[in-house]
Amino acid sequence: NAGVTQTPKFQVLKTGQSMTLQCAQDMNHEYMSWYRQDPGMGLRLIHYSVGAGITDQGEVPNGYNVSRSTTEDFPLRLLSAAPSQTSVYFCASSQRTGTYSNQPQHFGDGTRLSIL
Amino acid sequence: GQQVMQIPQYQHVQEGEDFTTYCNSSTTLSNIQWYKQRPGGHPVFLIQLVKSGEVKKQKRLTFQFGEAKKNSSLHITATQTTDVGTYFCAGCREGSQGNLIFGKGTKLSVKP
Repeated sequence: NAGVTQTPKFQVLKTGQSMTLQCAQDMNHEYMSWYRQDPGMGLRLIHYSVGAGITDQGEVPNGYNVSRSTTEDFPLRLLSAAPSQTSVYFCASSQRTGTYSNQPQHFGDGTRLSIL
Repeated sequence: GQQVMQIPQYQHVQEGEDFTTYCNSSTTLSNIQWYKQRPGGHPVFLIQLVKSGEVKKQKRLTFQFGEAKKNSSLHITATQTTDVGTYFCAGCREGSQGNLIFGKGTKLSVKP
């Protein structure tokens, strides 16, 4: 049972480049989310999804797109990378009940992204 | 918007000393979760508190949820070097279908 798998683990981009961070989970979790973690800022929610075909914005969505075509996958796309997007990105998933935030979040190992 | 404040930001202790981190919300929370992140690792779920005034223990760790469901604390008794890491609280506003809001975390270092 792999849990939440993120790829790549490390990436260096040039300003203006685009890329997709991959996230997959094998726990049949309905709720998936993307966070970025910056020093002293904790975890900030970028986008989330409560099920296939449904996505919504979190606290810091600008510059990022997501899609949820299957229950398992929730990729995060950077459209035109900027140095301010240098960060560690975590994908998380959880079961969904009536209030989906009431379930423990399972995090992937993270992607360390540097934008030059 | 809803905020979850966590203090202190850093804590340095001698091995064997106790440690406490505090979490405060501007609004009533439906639940509070605690996570631990080891250096270079990812957050790992520790526990969830749901009831007003709830206290839960995991070995040397004691978690409390305030009576008003606006604050919480994590207390570690007799710290060990294995306790090193950043501890995060995360809560959801009561009555909402909202997402978890994470505190900024308390980074604990333990000197042997």
